[in-house]
Amino acid sequence: EAQVTQNPRYLITVTGKKLTVTCSQNMNHEYMSWYRQDPGLGLRQIYYSMNVEVTDKGDVPEGYKVSRKEKRNFPLILESPSPNQTSLYFCASSLSPDRYNEQFFGPGTRLTVL
Amino acid sequence: GQQLNQSPQSMFIQEGEDVSMNCTSSSIFNTWLWYKQDPGEGPVLLIALYKAGELTSNGRLTAQFGITRKDSFLNISASIPSDVGIYFCAGPRVYDKIIFGKGTRLHILP
Repeated sequence: EAQVTQNPRYLITVTGKKLTVTCSQNMNHEYMSWYRQDPGLGLRQIYYSMNVEVTDKGDVPEGYKVSRKEKRNFPLILESPSPNQTSLYFCASSLSPDRYNEQFFGPGTRLTVL
Repeated sequence: GQQLNQSPQSMFIQEGEDVSMNCTSSSIFNTWLWYKQDPGEGPVLLIALYKAGELTSNGRLTAQFGITRKDSFLNISASIPSDVGIYFCAGPRVYDKIIFGKGTRLHILP
């Protein structure tokens, strides 16, 4: 089954404790992206990757890192999480950058930073 | 920067009613996308529009690409309980970035 998976689905952590949210897709997609969703603010792009070893900042990259060492995986790293990073996070992928309209979204990761 | 303004922010309707929502921008878009997010799930693409004036349907959903290219509309006819969720408009800001509106939350009253 074609899908985007994220782990964990739920995470409660404390300020400053490094964490990684994994994202994996099995569709051989080139383009992958991370979004955060906050009440009243909609979806905002954090980082995106157009292919292996190619990443770029979205609208709200501060406090986040990503890597794209393999085509299928695009982990989101919070080196020192803070309470303002409490949010619902979505990973998405599409076949190629020019087919962004065909993005598949993962199920989401709800992160709480205390 | 570019923003997409969705209206209304939320709607409370009776089952069977028709629904209309819209999305506007101060900038021109070449593509308009409409997504739906079910509770506890990620967004799913409903309709994509590529040409000014285009009217596209997907079952009971109909979306239109505004003539000015600065707006788009989504209509749902004869709403049913599974229509509940958040509807987002989106558009490409530049080649490789998409921006999303803040969403319209649809509630259906029993």
